[in-house]
Amino acid sequence: SAVISQKPSRDICQRGTSLTIQCQVDSQVTMMFWYRQQPGQSLTLIATANQGSEATYESGFVIDKFPISRPNLTFSTLTVSNMSPEDSSIYLCTTRLQTDTQYFGPGTRLTVL
Amino acid sequence: AQSVTQLDSQVPVFEEAPVELRCNYSSSVSVYLFWYVQYPNQGLQLLLKYLSGSTLVKGINGFEAEFNKSQTSFHLRKPSVHISDTAEYFCAVSYNTDKLIFGTGTRLQVFP
Repeated sequence: SAVISQKPSRDICQRGTSLTIQCQVDSQVTMMFWYRQQPGQSLTLIATANQGSEATYESGFVIDKFPISRPNLTFSTLTVSNMSPEDSSIYLCTTRLQTDTQYFGPGTRLTVL
Repeated sequence: AQSVTQLDSQVPVFEEAPVELRCNYSSSVSVYLFWYVQYPNQGLQLLLKYLSGSTLVKGINGFEAEFNKSQTSFHLRKPSVHISDTAEYFCAVSYNTDKLIFGTGTRLQVFP
């Protein structure tokens, strides 16, 4: 199994600012994923983060708004840039091991005022 | 396009009654299917998964699901629900890649 931690667990931010969310996995993994869960909604994949290459973004998400870093096999960051109230969501970091099971971090609850 | 459809946004049911939460996915040669549960203000928890083999999959908390390739469905069932089963349930699919695509979720509300 994998244990994933995220920082911060929650934050309240002002419109127009940026927030960087950190994700740490307790083992080396090839792929890490970032999801967003807007209030009362399902999970939407933002991007896939591979170590040593550019992140792959899903339709509707762009690098300028959600830049991602993946400096090594256990760590990734997601930045939410130039925030607006519509960015208020839970942001989740996940990874998948050889067992075909996806492991989820506890999430970062972001509120933008 | 790869997609997952959960036909029911809400399912109200009385305690000890059976329940079925429906999930359909877009067809593919190879697919992995999952059901997750999210209790209020908590993270996602894996209920069960289908990777291959027997089409009837048993999970935690008495839930089971049946993979039906011809109908491209993976419905979740429980013969007798409890108040504590009240939660949001998400069906998810992986099409031979590592990323999961989630359905819109079904809110199961169990009444006494």
